[in-house]
Amino acid sequence: QKEVEQDPGPLSVPEGAIVSLNCTYSNSAFQYFMWYRQYSRKGPELLMYTYSSGNKEDGRFTAQVDKSSKYISLFIRDSQPSDSATYLCAMAGSAGNNRKLIWGLGTSLAVNP
Amino acid sequence: KAGVTQTPRYLIKTRGQQVTLSCSPISGHRSVSWYQQTPGQGLQFLFEYFSETQRNKGNFPGRFSGRQFSNSRSEMNVSTLELGDSALYLCASSLGSWAGYNEQFFGPGTRLTVL
Repeated sequence: QKEVEQDPGPLSVPEGAIVSLNCTYSNSAFQYFMWYRQYSRKGPELLMYTYSSGNKEDGRFTAQVDKSSKYISLFIRDSQPSDSATYLCAMAGSAGNNRKLIWGLGTSLAVNP
Repeated sequence: KAGVTQTPRYLIKTRGQQVTLSCSPISGHRSVSWYQQTPGQGLQFLFEYFSETQRNKGNFPGRFSGRQFSNSRSEMNVSTLELGDSALYLCASSLGSWAGYNEQFFGPGTRLTVL
């Protein structure tokens, strides 16, 4: 079993839909949670960063972390065709071997006009 | 400000050969991390360098090695290439060490194909 599980999709939604992307993890030492977006033929770029549990909102994007369930989510409101990309979750702990970033496989999202 | 640059962008090699990939970080960034990305395994951490010292290493065989120069530029080398080494190799730079706390900025990657 991988330390971080993420459904690779693909996910296809109409423009304007609310998108929900999720990752589960097994390592309770993880405290730092990130969502990256990767467009085709580009490197990933940081979208959202959350420390420990809770919600964080940035424009149309909301990141949620539930450490008790070992579950993180990214919500995209009013999705746009420009949101079509692969979304990767990543997480790390603060000590020793847990300081390495562990990544999900990524979920491919297509937003159709 | 220029982003992270990686050279070459595409590379085709045959089994048994060796390859060197180069990464120039964003000016002022002292940390460089390398990742391998494949469809089946996703992004996997190779190693991180900070001020010319390897700070962390992933679970890859010794055929994978790297180094960082005094100007923060980094190279990674893969010797005795295997078919399974075909992947996108990504370099990321950050101001400080430790990717969990410092935002990483990625380059476009080097696409390596091993025949």
